[in-house]
Amino acid sequence: NAGVTQTPKFRILKIGQSMTLQCTQDMNHNYMYWYRQDPGMGLKLIYYSVGAGITDKGEVPNGYNVSRSTTEDFPLRLELAAPSQTSVYFCASSGGSGNTIYFGEGSWLTVV
Amino acid sequence: DQQVKQNSPSLSVQEGRISILNCDYTNSMFDYFLWYKKYPAEGPTFLISISSIKDKNEDGRFTVFLNKSAKHLSLHIVPSQPGDSAVYFCAAGLRGTSYGKLTFGQGTILTVHP
Repeated sequence: NAGVTQTPKFRILKIGQSMTLQCTQDMNHNYMYWYRQDPGMGLKLIYYSVGAGITDKGEVPNGYNVSRSTTEDFPLRLELAAPSQTSVYFCASSGGSGNTIYFGEGSWLTVV
Repeated sequence: DQQVKQNSPSLSVQEGRISILNCDYTNSMFDYFLWYKKYPAEGPTFLISISSIKDKNEDGRFTVFLNKSAKHLSLHIVPSQPGDSAVYFCAAGLRGTSYGKLTFGQGTILTVHP
């Protein structure tokens, strides 16, 4: 009963380092999303994908990249980490328009 | 420009009473609205949604009301239980290929006291 799984759960990065947040879902959902949540704020959309091979920018895409080579996986890449990218990152998926959106448990990232 | 706002950062309620969480939006193009509940160190979990063609949707103890003319929605929890203590986010979105591109409010921390 996995749903949406994110790794790692916690990570500390130094300024300028790169890393990839992994996300996989086992519900055969076409739509996948990456959101970030800053303290005291709502979630903001970084990138989304409506199917394998198709990705598009959300509200706050700068400093991130994504790929969607399979239906199951939607990794988020941080290039040249900056302190402003300190946040909690949530991956989510849904079966399509009108369907419930399911979130992973989150990945806490600190850039120092 | 914050398109979805939850103006109350926190709400404290006695067990058994009604909890009313409020949300305002500015974009008249939003055509569906959702409420998510979030416990610490967990991802948001879907609670209830409402389409813009309705003004009320009910699911057990949870009811969402939508007032389109006022661009306002509210979540009623009756009766409130201590396990309902969490952060509640309202979110708004558009259907079609933009589905899931949700705009979230800042969240309201609900505390239900035994």
